[in-house]
Amino acid sequence: NAGVTQTPKFQVLKTGQSMTLQCAQDMNHEYMSWYRQDPGMGLRLIHYSVGAGITDQGEVPNGYNVSRSTTEDFPLRLLSAAPSQTSVYFCASWTGVTGELFFGEGSRLTVL
Amino acid sequence: KQEVTQIPAALSVPEGENLVLNCSFTDSAIYNLQWFRQDPGKGLTSLLLIQSSQREQTSGRLNASLDKSSGRSTLYIAASQPGDSATYLCAVLSLWDGNNRLAFGKGNQVVVIP
Repeated sequence: NAGVTQTPKFQVLKTGQSMTLQCAQDMNHEYMSWYRQDPGMGLRLIHYSVGAGITDQGEVPNGYNVSRSTTEDFPLRLLSAAPSQTSVYFCASWTGVTGELFFGEGSRLTVL
Repeated sequence: KQEVTQIPAALSVPEGENLVLNCSFTDSAIYNLQWFRQDPGKGLTSLLLIQSSQREQTSGRLNASLDKSSGRSTLYIAASQPGDSATYLCAVLSLWDGNNRLAFGKGNQVVVIP
């Protein structure tokens, strides 16, 4: 099982550039979410989805967009990158049946 | 809103000692609680999942207990080894407004001294 796959693992951007972090899961999970992890701040929820076509904002959504056109994919878009978005990003998925949480390996983003 | 606290933020123990890590949560109406391990610069590895109907789960040297009434889970690592050095996070899944909601502690950073 591939589980949750995130790409890319590393990315360097210049301020103002745009990019998309990809997240895919092959477990037919209805719930997917994006987090950023910064030193001393823990995991903070950016956006989440409770199923295909349904997304909502988390606690730090500014500067990020998401969409969920399929159950499997939940991409995170940075429209105009800022140095404050330098972070490690994690995608997670789970099913409401067991509630067991699965994480991707993370994407380390640096914005210069 | 569910609040999850892990205290202490950091601790060091000599090799061979038992490790006891605590996770406290404010709302006892949880769906489950999951413990993770994170090595520096790496992702989160699931260690144990405890459903709300369970009192404990065990895997090898690891044992996690759950006491919903007191809002606490304890992760117990027997006979610690230097390879146990990592940050340990707990995640609490609750139902809110008909949907699942996750809350995370900030982690216990553990150093096992050889």
